[in-house]
Amino acid sequence: DADVTQTPRNRITKTGKRIMLECSQTKGHDRMYWYRQDPGLGLRLIYYSFDVKDINKGEISDGYSVSRQAQAKFSLSLESAIPNQTALYFCATSTPYQETQYFGPGTRLLVL
Amino acid sequence: GENVEQHPSTLSVQEGDSAVIKCTYSDSASNYFPWYKQELGKGPQLIIDIRSNVGEKKDQRIAVTLNKTAKHFSLHITETQPEDSAVYFCAASYGNTPLVFGKGTRLSVIA
Repeated sequence: DADVTQTPRNRITKTGKRIMLECSQTKGHDRMYWYRQDPGLGLRLIYYSFDVKDINKGEISDGYSVSRQAQAKFSLSLESAIPNQTALYFCATSTPYQETQYFGPGTRLLVL
Repeated sequence: GENVEQHPSTLSVQEGDSAVIKCTYSDSASNYFPWYKQELGKGPQLIIDIRSNVGEKKDQRIAVTLNKTAKHFSLHITETQPEDSAVYFCAASYGNTPLVFGKGTRLSVIA
C-alpha cells in the first residue's frame, strides 16, 4: 500500500554514523509510529506521535530520536549507530477514531 | 505495563487443516485486540480485531475468540491455504495507549 512510504528501503552503515529513516503518508492520519522488528522479538515501539506537537517515547527509545516535521512526515534518527541496531524498521499511521494501524513497507538497516 | 505472550512461535499445518494461534495479556484494562498478518517483504496488515464487549468475531475463514476472565484471545484459521503462510501478530491496547504486540507466529501451510 503506497499510502505509507519509507525511505530508504535498505541501508548499510558503519558504527558511529548518524542516519535518518524517513516516513511519509498520504492517508491524512494524525498518529504516526516507529517500530523495530527483530527475529523472535516481534514489533517493539520506539517512538510515537499523536499530532505534530506531540512526541512520546516507546518501549525502546534509547539511542533513537524522532522529528515530526508535518502531519505527513515522521523521521527516525540514529545519532550514533551501533551493530545491535541492525533490524527491520517500520513506520505506521492511525487515526484517533480507529485503532487500525497502517504499516509502511519497512526499512532494512544493517550496521557494520 | 501491558505484556502480550503469543504461542506457538512456529506452526506448520497441512493445506485444508485448521490453525490456531493463542495470546495472553496481562493488563485487565486492555479492551482492543487486533491480529496482523505480515507477508514476506511487507509490513503487517490488520486482518481481524475484537473488542472486550464481544466474545467472538468471524470473517470468512478467520475468527477470533476472547476470554476476558482468563485474559487470553485466539486466532482461528479454517481450511488453510498456501496464501495463509505468513507471520501473524496479536496485540492489545486500551484507550489511547499504543498497541503492545506479541512476538509473532510463523505459519507455514504445506500443500
